[in-house]
Amino acid sequence: AQKVTQAQTEISVVEKEDVTLDCVYETRDTTYYLFWYKQPPSGELVFLIRRNSFDEQNEISGRYSWNFQKSTSSFNFTITASQVVDSAVYFCALSEARAGGTSYGKLTFGQGTILTVHP
Amino acid sequence: DTGVSQNPRHKITKRGQNVTFRCDPISEHNRLYWYRQTLGQGPEFLTYFQNEAQLEKSRLLSDRFSAERPKGSFSTLEIQRTEQGDSAMYLCASSPLTGRSFEKLFFGSGTQLSVL
Repeated sequence: AQKVTQAQTEISVVEKEDVTLDCVYETRDTTYYLFWYKQPPSGELVFLIRRNSFDEQNEISGRYSWNFQKSTSSFNFTITASQVVDSAVYFCALSEARAGGTSYGKLTFGQGTILTVHP
Repeated sequence: DTGVSQNPRHKITKRGQNVTFRCDPISEHNRLYWYRQTLGQGPEFLTYFQNEAQLEKSRLLSDRFSAERPKGSFSTLEIQRTEQGDSAMYLCASSPLTGRSFEKLFFGSGTQLSVL
């Protein structure tokens, strides 16, 4: 069975602070995908990143960066110089990958972290 | 790209009534998914279609729930004899069928169901 744990239920920061959202996962699969999604108040989940379990390189996209450590089963997300528009619920998710490197969209989500950025 | 569209946006019903939700995926996407999200939790997988074929159903999908995707286009999710525990946000998502790997899900804004 797969499991994703986001231990931080809520985080509150002041604009321009850096913030890290933690994600720990459990899976018996040797090949899998990890995701981060953002859910603003409008409700629509917005894709941020997908990481293949084979690729442990960290990734940076603008103010966003992701740290994947297979040894500790963690996939943490850092927002640098946070802004009010970053306020949302952030979800980490896991998807098994079938043999041959394909998966089909059945994601296991964590409970989410509510991020509030104050001006 | 008009995105994934879900209707209605909100639905209030009395316990015991039947409800039906509609999802229109992104037009070129072969795969369509239904998820359910309760307050304070992450979305949970319910079922998914590849074209018109329903390929997997979660055990969360009791026999009161039925989903269809006629002609591989839009999909409907029906809940019969609704219960208060069915109150949740029902999310639809779609993705293209690619040869090598799955990229991501494109989600709609969901249908919020309240069962009184």
